[in-house]
Amino acid sequence: KNEVEQSPQNLTAQEGEFITINCSYSVGISALHWLQQHPGGGIVSLFMLSSGKKKHGRLIATINIQEKHSSLHITASHPRDSAVYICAVRSSRGDKLIFGTGTRLQVFP
Amino acid sequence: DGGITQSPKYLFRKEGQNVTLSCEQNLNHDAMYWYRQDPGQGLRLIYYSQIVNDFQKGDIAEGYSVSREKKESFPLTVTSAQKNPTAFYLCASSIWDSPYNEQFFGPGTRLTVL
Repeated sequence: KNEVEQSPQNLTAQEGEFITINCSYSVGISALHWLQQHPGGGIVSLFMLSSGKKKHGRLIATINIQEKHSSLHITASHPRDSAVYICAVRSSRGDKLIFGTGTRLQVFP
Repeated sequence: DGGITQSPKYLFRKEGQNVTLSCEQNLNHDAMYWYRQDPGQGLRLIYYSQIVNDFQKGDIAEGYSVSREKKESFPLTVTSAQKNPTAFYLCASSIWDSPYNEQFFGPGTRLTVL
């Protein structure tokens, strides 16, 4: 079993829909990162969380440390949000990031 | 513009040849990382460097080598000992190696071994 699990693996939506991507992890962590990978392969960091909730534009990320779970929400989704969203955790041992396999999101007009 | 550059974007090599992937950053970051991405798998750490002239093995270092002679540069050599080198390779950097520091990624190099 992977230490970081994401669901769903694939997600399609109509423009304007509210999107939720989930991330569960099985290790103690010091931080959790949400990343976005565009079709060309480049990766951009969206959020770093160690507790609570963060918001940036239409993106909201939450984390529940006790339940070892994080969610990434996209409000009013748009075709340009189509990408692979990756969850990564930094274990409490602190030596490296552990990555989920990603959630592929496609938003249709 | 500050950022990370990787070259080339696509690379083709014959089996048995060593190949070096370039990674340069002008962000003045101390830490640099090499990851490998395969379909259906999460990124896996190959090597990382926290400071010039020092580097550590990641999870899948076998068949790879690196150097860190300059702060800006962290080239990765894929040797003939790497059994399955065809993959997408990503370089990243951060201010220093901390759980709370954002990693900045390069655009990646797709290596295909024929």
